[in-house]
Amino acid sequence: DIQMTQSPSSLSASVGDRVTITCRASQSIGFYLNWYQQKPGKAPKLLIYAASSLQSGVPSRFSGSGSGTDFTLTISSLQPEDFATYYCQQSYSTPATFGGGTKVEIK
Amino acid sequence: EVQLVESGGGLIQPGGSLRLSCAASGFTVRSNYMSWVRQAPGKGLEWVSVIYSGGSTYSADSVKGRFTISRDNSKNTLYLQMNSLRGEDTAVYYCARVGQLDPDYYGMDVWGQGTTVTVSS
Repeated sequence: DIQMTQSPSSLSASVGDRVTITCRASQSIGFYLNWYQQKPGKAPKLLIYAASSLQSGVPSRFSGSGSGTDFTLTISSLQPEDFATYYCQQSYSTPATFGGGTKVEIK
Repeated sequence: EVQLVESGGGLIQPGGSLRLSCAASGFTVRSNYMSWVRQAPGKGLEWVSVIYSGGSTYSADSVKGRFTISRDNSKNTLYLQMNSLRGEDTAVYYCARVGQLDPDYYGMDVWGQGTTVTVSS
């Protein structure tokens, strides 16, 4: 199984900050990487697929990059509604494993 | 409206069985890949199982031999039959559509609201 490792596990940031979350795969997965946002008590929401493609309806302040084993999710200017936990997931092979999550908290 | 609605969760004793349902509307379950994902209290997301449009199924090692994913095309509903339940199966269970977002790329683009399974004596 492919292991997905996210860092950091949590971070504190202020509204307007630029935030970067990284995700590393245990083997090369090409561009088969998705990012999700989850707010407390809610289902996850797909933000980014194919490493850098923005899902319909997702604000353009979210962006993704990377390929192979190293990926990044960037929020260009953090908004109050962006405080949540973010997960990466590989869709290269079954099982479609998730990273451990990164909780973005208010500083 | 594209929607998934789960049901069937509850409190069950260790060793017991439970069947979760996930009713779809606005799209056809049999034409899509469908998955179950769970989240233990205070923990991250864990992929559980998938059923492909052709009918093939795969499950995580942690549930293999105990959980079975299936679908009823006439009811447009996805199921997760869970047997020999253990305390570590306690979680919120989500069903999700694995949408084809690009010719080669898939992602979980529609999620249900989740149903809670608690395994305890």
